[in-house]
Amino acid sequence: EAQVTQNPRYLITVTGKKLTVTCSQNMNHEYMSWYRQDPGLGLRQIYYSMNVEVTDKGDVPEGYKVSRKEKRNFPLILESPSPNQTSLYFCASTPLNQPQHFGDGTRLSIL
Amino acid sequence: DQQVKQNSPSLSVQEGRISILNCDYTNSMFDYFLWYKKYPAEGPTFLISISSIKDKNEDGRFTVFLNKSAKHLSLHIVPSQPGDSAVYFCAASGPGGTSYGKLTFGQGTILTVHP
Repeated sequence: EAQVTQNPRYLITVTGKKLTVTCSQNMNHEYMSWYRQDPGLGLRQIYYSMNVEVTDKGDVPEGYKVSRKEKRNFPLILESPSPNQTSLYFCASTPLNQPQHFGDGTRLSIL
Repeated sequence: DQQVKQNSPSLSVQEGRISILNCDYTNSMFDYFLWYKKYPAEGPTFLISISSIKDKNEDGRFTVFLNKSAKHLSLHIVPSQPGDSAVYFCAASGPGGTSYGKLTFGQGTILTVHP
């Protein structure tokens, strides 16, 4: 089954404690991206990657890092999380010129 | 600076009637537009799209209309069904299509279809 898998689905943590949200896709898609969803703001793109070792900033990259060492994985790293990064996060992947497929989301709460 | 706006946070319609969801954009460089549907505890799923070279695209009960001069698009659902109740997001992409540029989303509209 074609899917985008995010882990964890839920996480409550504290300010400053580094965390990583993993994203994996089994469709051999070139393009992957991360979004955050906040009330009244819709989904905003954090980072995207057009292929292995190629990443670029989206609209709200501050406080986040990503890496794309393998085609199937695109982890989102919060080196020093802060409460304003409490949000619902989505990973997406797509082959070229196709609509993006989204994972089921990761709800992060940073206290 | 919200480049894609969905000004109606919610919409309530009766089963069998038409649902019309609206979306406005400000960036004239956008050339590809999509609608996504999202159920609680799930990720958004692609519904329908339209290229800027068209003014209408239809897929079953769903039709998207694009008015480039007004920078406005709308999603029509006819007839509406209770299973259509979800959050609908409008999204836009710049030159190169959905895979090369960023997807810019609107705030979303909660559609409730009453039996």
